[in-house]
Amino acid sequence: KNEVEQSPQNLTAQEGEFITINCSYSVGISALHWLQQHPGGGIVSLFMLSSGKKKHGRLIATINIQEKHSSLHITASHPRDSAVYICAVRSRGAGTASKLTFGTGTRLQVTL
Amino acid sequence: GAVVSQHPSWVICKSGTSVKIECRSLDFQATTMFWYRQFPKQSLMLMATSNEGSKATYEQGVEKDKFLINHASLTLSTLTVTSAHPEDSSFYICSARAPQETQYFGPGTRLLVL
Repeated sequence: KNEVEQSPQNLTAQEGEFITINCSYSVGISALHWLQQHPGGGIVSLFMLSSGKKKHGRLIATINIQEKHSSLHITASHPRDSAVYICAVRSRGAGTASKLTFGTGTRLQVTL
Repeated sequence: GAVVSQHPSWVICKSGTSVKIECRSLDFQATTMFWYRQFPKQSLMLMATSNEGSKATYEQGVEKDKFLINHASLTLSTLTVTSAHPEDSSFYICSARAPQETQYFGPGTRLLVL
């Protein structure tokens, strides 16, 4: 079992739909990242969370530390949101050189 | 937000040659930089962690003599793929950690070894 599990693996939505991507992890963490990777390959860091909820534009990220679960929501989805969304966690207590453990990603396709 | 650049964005080389990839943090000082490789439709795989002024820490299975990492300053790290072979063809991504612990990723370098 991977330390970081994402669901769904693939998601197709119509423009305007509300989208939720889930991430569950099995280790204690100091932070959780949501990343976006477009087909060209470049990765954008969307959020870094250690508790609660963050919002940026149409994107909302939540985390429940007790349940070891995080969600990424996209409101009013648009074709330009089509990308791979990756959840990554940093283990707790590993110091400043701690590394990220990545989920396998959720491939989102938003159609017109 | 903070920006991490990589150069070149893509490179094609002949088997046996060496290729150097640069990673720069443009508007912050990165004490730690990370090098990843990614195969098609797979997740990022950490190759090594680089701290400024010290030797890089390589992940298990990554040959340090083949993938030379130099973290010369707080804004520059380089990865040199020595004697590249077709199996080294991949997408290489660097990442830099900002002082407030947010990690920023470069746009990646696509390497094709013929």
